[in-house]
Amino acid sequence: QQPVQSPQAVILREGEDAVINCSSSKALYSVHWYRQKHGEAPVFLMILLKGGEQKGHEKISASFNEKKQQSSLYLTASQLSYSGTYFCGTEWGDDKIIFGKGTRLHILP
Amino acid sequence: EPEVTQTPSHQVTQMGQEVILRCVPISNHLYFYWYRQILGQKVEFLVSFYNNEISEKSEIFDDQFSVERPDGSNFTLKIRSTKLEDSAMYFCASSEALLGARDRFFGQGTRLTVV
Repeated sequence: QQPVQSPQAVILREGEDAVINCSSSKALYSVHWYRQKHGEAPVFLMILLKGGEQKGHEKISASFNEKKQQSSLYLTASQLSYSGTYFCGTEWGDDKIIFGKGTRLHILP
Repeated sequence: EPEVTQTPSHQVTQMGQEVILRCVPISNHLYFYWYRQILGQKVEFLVSFYNNEISEKSEIFDDQFSVERPDGSNFTLKIRSTKLEDSAMYFCASSEALLGARDRFFGQGTRLTVV
């Protein structure tokens, strides 16, 4: 039931783009994206509901392909502050989010 | 900006002891959650709570765990007899009831160390 995230880790230079994928074996109700910096709590980025919507937040956007049961998080022109572990959390209409194992993103100056 | 607050930030306890982790959710939120994160691993769902009762719980949330909302503002997680493997960061979260707006706001976490 746990969503599968890929890649496991990414190293980028500042200004480069990255895509993080999250896929589920079951039909999804919603996908949540969080970023967690080392030693800190996860911080909510965005939620996407079924319906294939896309959302954006500054240079971070995401898409949700309901048919493919997957979501992708796009980070464009990455900044040093984007470093951290990105978790997708999937929801199937019940009241719990199941998180993936995370994708570590490291931005080099 | 409203936030979820958790106390204490770090607790060290002897194996077999009971611990109570405290959380004050955002005041107008109606759904409450506990998650845990073992060092270096993913965030794991423990339990969700709505209308003064558990709405969902995971396999991790066995009989040694319990949750309570004793006074309408605090939301507590009790571990009755701690084990070494209970050592982890425990995050409390809360969310509004509105469908489509159920993003979880996380507290800063309580680091529990069982020795």
